Amino acid sequence: EPEVTQTPSHQVTQMGQEVILRCVPISNHLYFYWYRQILGQKVEFLVSFYNNEISEKSEIFDDQFSVERPDGSNFTLKIRSTKLEDSAMYFCASSDNRGGETQYFGPGTRLLVL
Amino acid sequence: SQKIEQNSEALNIQEGKTATLTCNYTNYSPAYLQWYRQDPGRGPVFLLLIRENEKEKRKERLKVTFDTTLKQSLFHITASQPADSATYLCALDFSGGGADGLTFGKGTHLIIQP
Repeated sequence: EPEVTQTPSHQVTQMGQEVILRCVPISNHLYFYWYRQILGQKVEFLVSFYNNEISEKSEIFDDQFSVERPDGSNFTLKIRSTKLEDSAMYFCASSDNRGGETQYFGPGTRLLVL
Repeated sequence: SQKIEQNSEALNIQEGKTATLTCNYTNYSPAYLQWYRQDPGRGPVFLLLIRENEKEKRKERLKVTFDTTLKQSLFHITASQPADSATYLCALDFSGGGADGLTFGKGTHLIIQP
């Protein structure tokens, strides 16, 4: 069964450093998403992406964040200058349905900012 | 503002019984509502989607109801098994169409005791 994959599974970085989190969505999906989950808290939407542009973003997704689909298979989230509070699990998701229906999530990247 | 409320305290159920989880939402009339399962350290897994014109939906031992007047969805697991132990998340798209991100509730932690 097709799956969303994410790399790395864990990332440790120093505050102020840039990180790039990578995702390979399910191949025939057209809608891509990033979410984060701070330990013990709920899953929070960051950004959605369709047709090579951002469709929607939350207030969490400020100028420090950017997304890119550099080729036909990868979808990346970049955090330009990490802060301690960026420590969280980051999930990529994809869907072949409009309106956010039936999203398939990856296993996540656990980011720790020291 | 729009909110999703789930009882985030642990729900302990005896194996074989029916577990019933509640999701309430405010200040919105969604076209559909989704339920996801999340295991510790893993990404959410889609379970069921129910639309506003559907009162009930079933999938194997799972049943979801949707009362748009009460602004409530109930999620039932019949003949519960220890393997059903997980956190169950209710999710809504508050934006109303397009490649939109989901707003998740905090989730209910379900424990099925043998």
